[in-house]
Amino acid sequence: EDQVTQSPEALRLQEGESSSLNCSYTVSGLRGLFWYRQDPGKGPEFLFTLYSAGEEKEKERLKATLTKKESFLHITAPKPEDSATYLCAVMNNNAGNMLTFGGGTRLMVKP
Amino acid sequence: SQTIHQWPATLVQPVGSPLSLECTVEGTSNPNLYWYRQAAGRGLQLLFYSVGIGQISSEVPQNLSASRPQDRQFILSSKKLLLSDSGFYLCAWRYGPGPYEQYFGPGTRLTVT
Repeated sequence: EDQVTQSPEALRLQEGESSSLNCSYTVSGLRGLFWYRQDPGKGPEFLFTLYSAGEEKEKERLKATLTKKESFLHITAPKPEDSATYLCAVMNNNAGNMLTFGGGTRLMVKP
Repeated sequence: SQTIHQWPATLVQPVGSPLSLECTVEGTSNPNLYWYRQAAGRGLQLLFYSVGIGQISSEVPQNLSASRPQDRQFILSSKKLLLSDSGFYLCAWRYGPGPYEQYFGPGTRLTVT
């Protein structure tokens, strides 16, 4: 059974204080790992897809990396508008229509 | 560009009443469609997915059902709601052949009283 664990559950940062969010996964064959951002009361917004270990993707202050066991979402010099819940999900090679989601990390950036 | 709509945005229903939530996608053809539920403070749980008109796969046995009467329309229904059906319901789509990322709608907040 595929499993995704995100840590920490909640993270408080000061504006400009860089940090990383962790997504540990167990999957028999990884087709892709996905990062989403979710604001309160809204649907998740797609950020990145990573397909293989060593791959990195960047968007503004966010950078996602992937190893064979985990993914990190690095946030550089965060701003208050980066406050949101960040969700990680995996897709198994043998389950092409299913995303297995982690519980998310709630990020709060204080000015 | 593609757009996904869900309605209603919020819904309060008594236990035992029926349910119908609708999702439509614009700007693409033959998408894969998904229904998820997100309980308070928890991750997303896949309920149903569809790869084409009339084709529905269920991931979680429960008193909910789904239908896809048109290519870009996905409906979530129940004949009798339970208290445990309360939650945030999200519809998502992706391109049929890939890539694999899913795009989510704005969601429907359902409260069963």
